[in-house]
Amino acid sequence: GAVVSQHPSWVICKSGTSVKIECRSLDFQATTMFWYRQFPKQSLMLMATSNEGSKATYEQGVEKDKFLINHASLTLSTLTVTSAHPEDSSFYICSAVAGAGTDTQYFGPGTRLTVL
Amino acid sequence: QQPVQSPQAVILREGEDAVINCSSSKALYSVHWYRQKHGEAPVFLMILLKGGEQKGHEKISASFNEKKQQSSLYLTASQLSYSGTYFCGTISGTGKLIFGQGTTLQVKP
Repeated sequence: GAVVSQHPSWVICKSGTSVKIECRSLDFQATTMFWYRQFPKQSLMLMATSNEGSKATYEQGVEKDKFLINHASLTLSTLTVTSAHPEDSSFYICSAVAGAGTDTQYFGPGTRLTVL
Repeated sequence: QQPVQSPQAVILREGEDAVINCSSSKALYSVHWYRQKHGEAPVFLMILLKGGEQKGHEKISASFNEKKQQSSLYLTASQLSYSGTYFCGTISGTGKLIFGQGTTLQVKP
């Protein structure tokens, strides 16, 4: 149980284009999902908290107009990187909390974004 | 505030033991441990919820000293599959998981 999927697993795009990344909880409902970004050889940095049915909460320094988050249902959250630039190239990972009363997060397999 | 892990890197031979420490300047209510292989997402190992609690996962165990605001991960008789980067995570007051900087473990034959 507690499986989280991400799509796509990798994407290469041109500078200025927008990229959408999907995060799905496959066998449980997740009222809260999280989006992280990880640069090479660094730790995971929380970008935003995605809550089903409400606006996402962004961490300090993360541009909400650039990283659009939509939590359309209890099993799906999407992150759209708008007008991507080479400095946005990174490993994007989502996680979901499996059920109430627990704060254990299960991570998706990640999406490697390369912006040319 | 980000928890601090030590050491930053460890190189072992198969069968040797290792300890990875995680400490915080703030009060800890839970500690989460994850392992990440290169190019993959972190995999949940265990969560410790109470001061003094210890848990085990195969030959990997952990302790949590709430009073000292620290946790330690113990890897016993390490296997090649243990190689990766280990992260501890602590829950902030707003419920967010904050990761330490990571400890890279390399197990050699």
